[in-house]
Amino acid sequence: AQKVTQAQTEISVVEKEDVTLDCVYETRDTTYYLFWYKQPPSGELVFLIRRNSFDEQNEISGRYSWNFQKSTSSFNFTITASQVVDSAVYFCALSVYGGSQGNLIFGKGTKLSVKP
Amino acid sequence: DAGITQSPRYKITETGRQVTLMCHQTWSHSYMFWYRQDLGHGLRLIYYSAAADITDKGEVPDGYVVSRSKTENFPLTLESATRSQTSVYFCASSESGAPVYGYTFGSGTRLTVV
Repeated sequence: AQKVTQAQTEISVVEKEDVTLDCVYETRDTTYYLFWYKQPPSGELVFLIRRNSFDEQNEISGRYSWNFQKSTSSFNFTITASQVVDSAVYFCALSVYGGSQGNLIFGKGTKLSVKP
Repeated sequence: DAGITQSPRYKITETGRQVTLMCHQTWSHSYMFWYRQDLGHGLRLIYYSAAADITDKGEVPDGYVVSRSKTENFPLTLESATRSQTSVYFCASSESGAPVYGYTFGSGTRLTVV
């Protein structure tokens, strides 16, 4: 069975601080995909990144970066120099190729509050 | 407009009533999904559909019915609403069942059962 754990329920930081959101996943499959979604206060789900299990390169996109480590089954998300607009709930998700028609299995989310 | 739209955005209904949540996508994506979001549970899959007339259960299907007579529409029906079905419901679509592409979500329907 697959599982995603986001141990941090809520994080509060002051603007300009760096913050890392943790994501640990479980799967026995060798081919899988990992995702991060952002849910701002307005409620929609915004796709941030997708990573497949064969690509362990870290990725940077502006102030966002992702660290994928298969050895520890982790796919952590770092926001550098956080801003108030980063306040949202962030979800990590896992999908296994060929499993349940590509169902996305979500973690319970981490609520990030960035205070000015 | 192109995209995936859900209606209504907000709905209040009484226990025991039937209610249908609508989902429409304009991309002709094969796969569509219904998730519910609850505090402390994240998002959980209710039903999904691989194509018109093909549907299957997800993690929490009890009390829900879906249909997919046309590729672009995937309505979710609560046959007899219960308070435990108070939730935010998200519809999503994907070009393929293989998770190569990002899933695109609708804006959600906030349902309250009183």
